[in-house]
Amino acid sequence: EADIYQTPRYLVIGTGKKITLECSQTMGHDKMYWYQQDPGMELHLIHYSYGVNSTEKGDLSSESTVSRIRTEHFPLTLESARPSHTSQYLCASSEFGGRTEAFFGQGTRLTVV
Amino acid sequence: GENVEQHPSTLSVQEGDSAVIKCTYSDSASNYFPWYKQELGKGPQLIIDIRSNVGEKKDQRIAVTLNKTAKHFSLHITETQPEDSAVYFCAAREGFQKLVFGTGTRLLVSP
Repeated sequence: EADIYQTPRYLVIGTGKKITLECSQTMGHDKMYWYQQDPGMELHLIHYSYGVNSTEKGDLSSESTVSRIRTEHFPLTLESARPSHTSQYLCASSEFGGRTEAFFGQGTRLTVV
Repeated sequence: GENVEQHPSTLSVQEGDSAVIKCTYSDSASNYFPWYKQELGKGPQLIIDIRSNVGEKKDQRIAVTLNKTAKHFSLHITETQPEDSAVYFCAAREGFQKLVFGTGTRLLVSP
């Protein structure tokens, strides 16, 4: 079992609310990622980090922001949620060198009403 | 950058049959090719991976083959079982770069 955790698992929230999706890993991995997964299955990389104080935007433009103040923690924030943000959000982590397998969390299913 | 194409998008087989999912990649420098299985309500989990110095790798009923010249790799599942039903993703990575995923294949194994 991968030691990467996402909370909450499910979230229903009203339009305009600020939300933070939490992601923590206990494997000491330097690299962490956020993916948005649409109902058609495809995984879209929206943010990634190579270590503390490192954040980069991914391939899919997103109105969310991320921070990496601690190695184990990579939260994603939406300042003002909209129905278009409704999706499944997956967090992952991997080592910088050596094994390059990515470990995924269980995901957060976000619904904005 | 790397681009990974995956086919088919859906695959239905009878229990006991074999299933094959194919992926092609664009960057000849890519050297790591994992396969992930995503069950309903869960995050993707690695099931097998292969590096570019190997042509084939097997783990019980699953195997992956890699053709570097043609830049394609495939997942083979033999003696399929209903619990193999899931979404499968291939991916490719060059060195320390981020993983690039395929678009996914929904496999349905009917009893």
